[in-house]
Formats: sequence, C-alpha cells, structure tokens
Amino acid sequence: GAGVSQSPSNKVTEKGKDVELRCDPISGHTALYWYRQSLGQGLEFLIYFQGNSAPDKSGLPSDRFSAERTGGSVSTLTIQRTQQEDSAVYLCASSAGLNTGELFFGEGSRLTVL
Amino acid sequence: AQSVTQLDSQVPVFEEAPVELRCNYSSSVSVYLFWYVQYPNQGLQLLLKYLSGSTLVKGINGFEAEFNKSQTSFHLRKPSVHISDTAEYFCAVRESNYQLIWGAGTKLIIKP
Repeated sequence: GAGVSQSPSNKVTEKGKDVELRCDPISGHTALYWYRQSLGQGLEFLIYFQGNSAPDKSGLPSDRFSAERTGGSVSTLTIQRTQQEDSAVYLCASSAGLNTGELFFGEGSRLTVL
Repeated sequence: AQSVTQLDSQVPVFEEAPVELRCNYSSSVSVYLFWYVQYPNQGLQLLLKYLSGSTLVKGINGFEAEFNKSQTSFHLRKPSVHISDTAEYFCAVRESNYQLIWGAGTKLIIKP
C-alpha cells in the first residue's frame, strides 16, 4: 500500500486476555520496527525485523510479548495475558534502509486494558 | 550508547511568533540527526535530517535546524508558527545501522 497500515486502530480488552496487533508495511521495505508510546512518554523500542528475522528483540518488556513477520511483509505483535500497564499506543514503522534515516510510521494501535 | 535530551516537555508560543525546540545528544562522534513530527492522533513523519554537509538543514513546513558539533546540539527553529504547527516534535540520533535513539518529545502549543 501507499503507507504503513496498522489494525486495529483502537482495541479495548480486559485484563488477562490476549491481543494481536497487525502492521502492513510499505511494499518493498525490508526493515520493520515496533515501538510503544505511553501517555506523556517518548518512543520505547520493542523489536526490529530485517526481512523475516528479528536480530534485535531487546526491547520486548516481558515474555508475554512476541512478534513475527511473514513473507517479509506483514507483522503481528502479540501480547498475552494483558495487564493494565500494557495500555499504550503501539506504533509500527518501516524503512527501506536506515542510511537515509527515514522511518515511515503507521497511525498506531491504541490499546486499553481494563 | 547515545542519549538524546529534549530540554522542554512543552513549549507554548503565540501564533506568528518564532520558536526554538532544543535537542542535545550525548556523543560528538559522527552522527546522523533527525526531527520527526507527530500531529494529534497520527503517526510520526520526518521533518528534516542531518547526514553531512551544511550544518543548517531545511525541512518541511518552514522548519529548519542547525547542527552544532561543539555544543552537541540540533535545535529546531521556525521564524513564525501557525496554529497548524500544533504537534509533538521528536529529536532522534542514529545509534547503529538500524536503530534510532529518541528524545522524549516536546509538545508545541500555539496560543491564538
């Protein structure tokens, strides 16, 4: 597509439920990033994909968080047994290569855990 | 490891007044520097970047930034702001060949 697409745009869930957030990057972009943005905070790096592999998962907060990317394209971020502190906006970005420094961001998925 | 400091969490300014948003980074070695803007309920988009060359960089929407190596700063400026500039502005520095280190953001609040 023309831009990075994320779904759902809003998700309200109950504590303890699992959620899946989807990111469809710009076609041809090999790099894909997940960030978390909590209210009043900056961007917290979660995970980076190059193609289908994730050379850097260092930002995932706990083993309840996982992500995968298939076909070098769509990525899914899964949060199991959600907690209230998981409430945030989850941003996905893609890049053709960081030499130009430009990441293209989706509009985010706002997760609210009740 | 790099760190990025945005000294002001909020900057209120009257419409048509000039503005400067401050950004300092931790290392004086060769760096690539960026400013991104996030309009309300939207993702981030690139405003401008410094990779090399002229230290004064011009971006979209009339913004510019100056790279100052001795001060390790990359402050963002606009001579006359408009209500549509209301947004959050993020400074970032490239840490590796794939990673950006982000500042905490500065909210620009335009007063009519």
